[in-house]
Amino acid sequence: DQQVKQNSPSLSVQEGRISILNCDYTNSMFDYFLWYKKYPAEGPTFLISISSIKDKNEDGRFTVFLNKSAKHLSLHIVPSQPGDSAVYFCAASAAGAGSYQLTFGKGTKLSVIP
Amino acid sequence: GAVVSQHPSWVICKSGTSVKIECRSLDFQATTMFWYRQFPKQSLMLMATSNEGSKATYEQGVEKDKFLINHASLTLSTLTVTSAHPEDSSFYICSASGDRTHSPLHFGNGTRLTVT
Repeated sequence: DQQVKQNSPSLSVQEGRISILNCDYTNSMFDYFLWYKKYPAEGPTFLISISSIKDKNEDGRFTVFLNKSAKHLSLHIVPSQPGDSAVYFCAASAAGAGSYQLTFGKGTKLSVIP
Repeated sequence: GAVVSQHPSWVICKSGTSVKIECRSLDFQATTMFWYRQFPKQSLMLMATSNEGSKATYEQGVEKDKFLINHASLTLSTLTVTSAHPEDSSFYICSASGDRTHSPLHFGNGTRLTVT
């Protein structure tokens, strides 16, 4: 039973355009969501997060949107750059789960085409 | 920013031997460390949570006698894969947390274990 789902295993976007990565979750106890970027043979690198009390958080080219009623969040990258090509993981944690036990999605591989 | 160092980055061992993987927090005290395992094209699966000075908490389905975790200090946790078998070949990643409020986990660069 996957509690965090990233239904698109891959995404290709032209350089300069917007990349939209989607994530759905099933556990209504999740109250904190994070996006990580991962290159092959490296650990994930934190990108951006959002608390369930917000519906949007922006950091430079990265914006995360949260729709609690739909249990859906998305990461927008604009403009997309070739260096953004990586696997993006959506992760979630629940209050009381201890110091963030994170539940990860399977990841979406983003390819930004120059 | 916070840095987590994981060593070795890759290791090849023979079936039946044991392998130790180290995870260090370099510029903060990690009260909690997490060990994940990632199979190709799969999610990061939490294996266990370790708190400094206490026994690790293992996720369901993870053999505690096979994956020994020690968190003896606030900056070091180790994962020992005992009597390794080819099916233990995987990418193991540690992460560390310094406090109990919501903030991002910092991950090591992972260890690629290949058991022949």
